[in-house]
Amino acid sequence: GEDVEQSLFLSVREGDSSVINCTYTDSSSTYLYWYKQEPGAGLQLLTYIFSNMDMKQDQRLTVLLNKKDKHLSLRIADTQTGDSAIYFCAEFILTGGGNKLTFGTGTQLKVEL
Amino acid sequence: DSGVTQTPKHLITATGQRVTLRCSPRSGDLSVYWYQQSLDQGLQFLIQYYNGEERAKGNILERFSAQQFPDLHSELNLSSLELGDSALYFCASSVEIGSLYEQYFGPGTRLTVT
Repeated sequence: GEDVEQSLFLSVREGDSSVINCTYTDSSSTYLYWYKQEPGAGLQLLTYIFSNMDMKQDQRLTVLLNKKDKHLSLRIADTQTGDSAIYFCAEFILTGGGNKLTFGTGTQLKVEL
Repeated sequence: DSGVTQTPKHLITATGQRVTLRCSPRSGDLSVYWYQQSLDQGLQFLIQYYNGEERAKGNILERFSAQQFPDLHSELNLSSLELGDSALYFCASSVEIGSLYEQYFGPGTRLTVT
């Protein structure tokens, strides 16, 4: 199966850390990604993690991968109002001679003052 | 700005009509992907082209077709449109098969079928 699940909403206060969670089902995924979508905009690639890694840090972003539980998380440190958006996790799937991304349902992050 | 361009930005049309969405990938990217984003289905992969050839197919309806031209731009054709086809259609591009697969998305075309 290729279902990717996320919680729908997350509300945090400015300056706090945000943690967005994702579970996926395809254990053969080699890459897992996080995308950000602001209102009326396209998808912005934030970061990715290779499946043989447990953690990746990129400035305020930390990605944790638990391959055994097929669980991925994105931590945003010192969350700002500009971080308010919908966050999608996506898994990379090889299919036939090509590839695709299977996206989660998206988590809407609301940052309050 | 991802470097992927899509036209038009918005499209309003009637049921039964046919439309063409256009995508220009980032310079140097050989792969083009099309995705549909709707409220009920979420983000769904439709189709992938690599250097002019179809490489992967998702849940793309038979009424929909795509192609990638020699200059690497791509078009998604939607015909016999239904109300349920109203959605945001994204194009993405990536460098090549066999490398780190970073897909960069365009701003999307919002299609409204009335």
